Amino acid sequence: EAQVTQNPRYLITVTGKKLTVTCSQNMNHEYMSWYRQDPGLGLRQIYYSMNVEVTDKGDVPEGYKVSRKEKRNFPLILESPSPNQTSLYFCASKTGSGNTEAFFGQGTRLTVV
Amino acid sequence: AQKITQTQPGMFVQEKEAVTLDCTYDTSDPSYGLFWYKQPSSGEMIFLIYQGSYDQQNATEGRYSLNFQKARKSANLVISASQLGDSAMYFCAMRDMGGGTSYGKLTFGQGTILTVHP
Repeated sequence: EAQVTQNPRYLITVTGKKLTVTCSQNMNHEYMSWYRQDPGLGLRQIYYSMNVEVTDKGDVPEGYKVSRKEKRNFPLILESPSPNQTSLYFCASKTGSGNTEAFFGQGTRLTVV
Repeated sequence: AQKITQTQPGMFVQEKEAVTLDCTYDTSDPSYGLFWYKQPSSGEMIFLIYQGSYDQQNATEGRYSLNFQKARKSANLVISASQLGDSAMYFCAMRDMGGGTSYGKLTFGQGTILTVHP
């Protein structure tokens, strides 16, 4: 089954404790991205990757890091989480060409206390 | 810069009736795509329908249709014969095809919560 898998689904952590949210897709998609969803703001792009070893900032990259060492994986790293990073996070992937739909992971609900 | 506006924070509809969710957009790129996603209470994002800026006909997918009015820059979602399972948050999104740093990025609206009453 074609899918984007995020882990964990839920996470409560404390301010300053480094964490990683994993994302993996099995569709051989070139393009992957991370979004955060906040009430009244919709989804906003954090980082994206057009292919292996190619990453760039989205609209709200502050406080986040990413890496793309393999085509299927695109982890999101919060080196020193803060309460304003409490949000619902989505990983998404799409093929590199054409205006095709993005496939989204199940979401990760992160709470930073 | 791209912008998507959904002006209806919440909508109510009676089961079996049709409902229209509004979406307006702004872009300077002549080539773009418009998408609608559904987010049920479980949280996942489900792709519903797509409309390309050069498509001559309105897109349809089962009970979903997209009322595309290019001159007015609107891309309203029409759900016919509403069902209880249609209760969810609905997001309108846009992607420019102009390339560059906007490549691949979806710009989302604020979302509309639809509640279907029995």
